[in-house]
Amino acid sequence: DAGVIQSPRHEVTEMGQEVTLRCKPISGHDYLFWYRQTMMRGLELLIYFNNNVPIDDSGMPEDRFSAKMPNASFSTLKIQPSEPRDSAVYFCASSKDLDRTYGYTFGSGTRLTVV
Amino acid sequence: AQSVTQPDIHITVSEGASLELRCNYSYGATPYLFWYVQSPGQGLQLLLKYFSGDTLVQGIKGFEAEFKRSQSSFNLRKPSVHWSDAAEYFCAVGPQGGSEKLVFGKGTKLTVNP
Repeated sequence: DAGVIQSPRHEVTEMGQEVTLRCKPISGHDYLFWYRQTMMRGLELLIYFNNNVPIDDSGMPEDRFSAKMPNASFSTLKIQPSEPRDSAVYFCASSKDLDRTYGYTFGSGTRLTVV
Repeated sequence: AQSVTQPDIHITVSEGASLELRCNYSYGATPYLFWYVQSPGQGLQLLLKYFSGDTLVQGIKGFEAEFKRSQSSFNLRKPSVHWSDAAEYFCAVGPQGGSEKLVFGKGTKLTVNP
């Protein structure tokens, strides 16, 4: 398996623009997680899905952020409009259903810079 | 609520020296415990995990960790550090039932001097 695939690897955008981050989880993994990593806050869980259904979005910072999982092999995290404080590395991770004891498999992340 | 504390933000060791990274957790029951490593520009990679049985667990890349219930700790160790071990290390705790979320510590950055 190719692992969790995220795109793009780097994104530079201007304040006010819409940004869409993409994630393809590992086939057969029923859980998908979106994290944000910054120097100040460390790793923050934004939202997670189980079987394509959002379970907990309490970490989503505000209404500008939205996430979808239209099918088992694809998820998006959208920021509209983007702001400089959204600059961070965004990680997607997935895990199996009954085997979450094995932890999460992370993608390589998308480094977002909002100028 | 469960929490994870990694007291050391940054540690520097010489190549070949031993290493211990500290992790303390707060949780009402025996949790699942994990150590992850993040190399520059990469995602997090699972090093090792504990959820039951032997309290000394072995992981990849020569790392081990020991679960000490009395101290609520899960410290990561390596007897001899290699330059390639320079990275950031994260401890994480998860419940053995209920919510599937892991809680991560803020990480310890390891620098290895030649």
